[in-house]
Amino acid sequence: GAVVSQHPSWVICKSGTSVKIECRSLDFQATTMFWYRQFPKQSLMLMATSNEGSKATYEQGVEKDKFLINHASLTLSTLTVTSAHPEDSSFYICSASTQNYGYTFGSGTRLTVV
Amino acid sequence: DAKTTQPPSMDCAEGRAANLPCNHSTISGNEYVYWYRQIHSQGPQYIIHGLKNNETNEMASLIITEDRKSSTLILPHATLRDTAVYYCIVIQGGGGADGLTFGKGTHLIIQP
Repeated sequence: GAVVSQHPSWVICKSGTSVKIECRSLDFQATTMFWYRQFPKQSLMLMATSNEGSKATYEQGVEKDKFLINHASLTLSTLTVTSAHPEDSSFYICSASTQNYGYTFGSGTRLTVV
Repeated sequence: DAKTTQPPSMDCAEGRAANLPCNHSTISGNEYVYWYRQIHSQGPQYIIHGLKNNETNEMASLIITEDRKSSTLILPHATLRDTAVYYCIVIQGGGGADGLTFGKGTHLIIQP
């Protein structure tokens, strides 16, 4: 139980375009989801907390106008990277808090901006 | 900052037990110790968690010292597929509204 599905697993986009990443809780309802970013050889860094039906909370230094988060239902949160640039290339991971496993993570999305 | 300290890397021979230490000297009474691992280019995977008693599941055992200031994750018979970065994280109340602060973890390399 407590599976989080993330899609796509990888994406390549041109500089200046936008990319949407989806995160779904498959067998439970997640009122809160979290988005992380991981650069090569580094640890996961929390970007934002996504709350169903309300505005996301962003960590210091994360541009809310660039990383748009929508959590319109109890099973879906989306992260849209707007006007992507090569420096946005990274591994993006979503997560949800669960009752028995602490936090469950998606499989991640490898974004490459060319 | 992460509240845990782990060695940056460890090697272990395939088939042997892998013992991964973690220091969490400032842990508070209602904080659980959680272990996750991240295999290359995948999301973190839950392994085990505990509050103060030792725990065992199908993946691993968790030994927590009596003063709760440190713990050890034990993979009893390591395989090549256990090569990953292992993260020890303390979580208040076992989870909730706050995101996690990851330390650098331990890169465990299983040698054939």
